[in-house]
Amino acid sequence: QSVLTQSPSVSGAPGQRVTISCGGSSSNIGAGYDVHWYQQLPGTAPKLLIYGYYNRPSGVPDRFSGSKSGTSASLAITGLQTEDEADYYCQSYDSGLSGWVFGGGTKVTVL
Amino acid sequence: EVQLLESGGGLVQPGGSLRLSCVVSGFNFSNYAMTWVRQAPGKGLQWVSGISGRGDTTYYADSMKGRFIISRDNSKNTLFLQMNSLRVEDTATYYCAKVDVLRYFDWFMENWGQGTRVTVSS
Repeated sequence: QSVLTQSPSVSGAPGQRVTISCGGSSSNIGAGYDVHWYQQLPGTAPKLLIYGYYNRPSGVPDRFSGSKSGTSASLAITGLQTEDEADYYCQSYDSGLSGWVFGGGTKVTVL
Repeated sequence: EVQLLESGGGLVQPGGSLRLSCVVSGFNFSNYAMTWVRQAPGKGLQWVSGISGRGDTTYYADSMKGRFIISRDNSKNTLFLQMNSLRVEDTATYYCAKVDVLRYFDWFMENWGQGTRVTVSS
């Protein structure tokens, strides 16, 4: 059971918009710690996608965007493309566990 | 270009030990915290351990405390993870990652290695 809660899967047709949620609590997101997002393509290492809720590293398309609402965070993918089919993980710090935590991951399927 | 290359994985019996290494290049190693993250087969990511740039502060996930030791040799641009008393449930791909910091504990994993596979089995 992950400290950060993600829905197991989402799907969408090419060109559509999908959102991935990351639910936290008062010891992580609610305590003011930032959320970061990673993309893991099949058979590869994770890659940083979004840091500090909203910021994209250079090279990440602006189709990917992050947001925050209360004790949750979201990742949106607009103009979904076949190469976006991957697992997506959110990550933050948890003061109760005194360590860094990941969500369980969300598999994005492009129909 | 930032590069991280893990090694040292393999097959080990329960109760055994293994030492993972991560050699890095492309950045000033001693200026950055580093971390290990693992992924069991078919499962999600799990943070394992972290270490400050100078190596004087270390952090561990609860299930690794007392069994794993993270260290670094800044003169050799190398990060280590000594894993002792290994259990079947430690079977995973272990990734090293370069950390960037927004604020004191707001760490994120900016760059990742390709991973090294550890299998604990009799």
